[in-house]
Amino acid sequence: AQKITQTQPGMFVQEKEAVTLDCTYDTSDQSYGLFWYKQPSSGEMIFLIYQGSYDEQNATEGRYSLNFQKARKSANLVISASQLGDSAMYFCAMRESHRSGGGADGLTFGKGTHLIIQP
Amino acid sequence: GAGVSQSPSNKVTEKGKDVELRCDPISGHTALYWYRQSLGQGLEFLIYFQGNSAPDKSGLPSDRFSAERTGGSVSTLTIQRTQQEDSAVYLCASSSSGGRWETQYFGPGTRLLVL
Repeated sequence: AQKITQTQPGMFVQEKEAVTLDCTYDTSDQSYGLFWYKQPSSGEMIFLIYQGSYDEQNATEGRYSLNFQKARKSANLVISASQLGDSAMYFCAMRESHRSGGGADGLTFGKGTHLIIQP
Repeated sequence: GAGVSQSPSNKVTEKGKDVELRCDPISGHTALYWYRQSLGQGLEFLIYFQGNSAPDKSGLPSDRFSAERTGGSVSTLTIQRTQQEDSAVYLCASSSSGGRWETQYFGPGTRLLVL
């Protein structure tokens, strides 16, 4: 089973509109961290926002906010007032707390959403 | 300050040859991570170093892959006897102390093409 599911392979959004990128996750850990990264066509992964599983408030960073619904295991990224420069791939990722190997020390990524902002 | 750097940016090699990919983390960062990004598999975690040691190597795809880190800084990922399925972008990331919830900062990647 996929640990991170991003159900929107691609999205077209009009400039200045708000965008919600979906992410659901699967873990049996009580303690985990959720991350969103942006990857423009240049290829570099840019960190956007982090949400800890015990954080009571939804994380916000400038135009980015994370709609964290723990019971539903979802961590959607919201971009307000989208800009042309927001066009990129967006990846949701999780790091779990257990250290049982099999990749637990790294981030587990979803397949990504390709966001295109149209003028 | 300087971010994570990787070299080479691009590498084309023939099947069966060995390649070395280098990662220079952010100065002072003790934790270093290698990932692979390919069309078929997406982003996969390969290996993590805390200082010079890698507690778990099970993420490496096969025994042709090895990684080392010396001096707690630069890391090298070596692929022996490359195969066409090794073609991918290899990304390196670092974080300040390896805390589980720390942000990992990524380098620009090395694009490997095996002919």
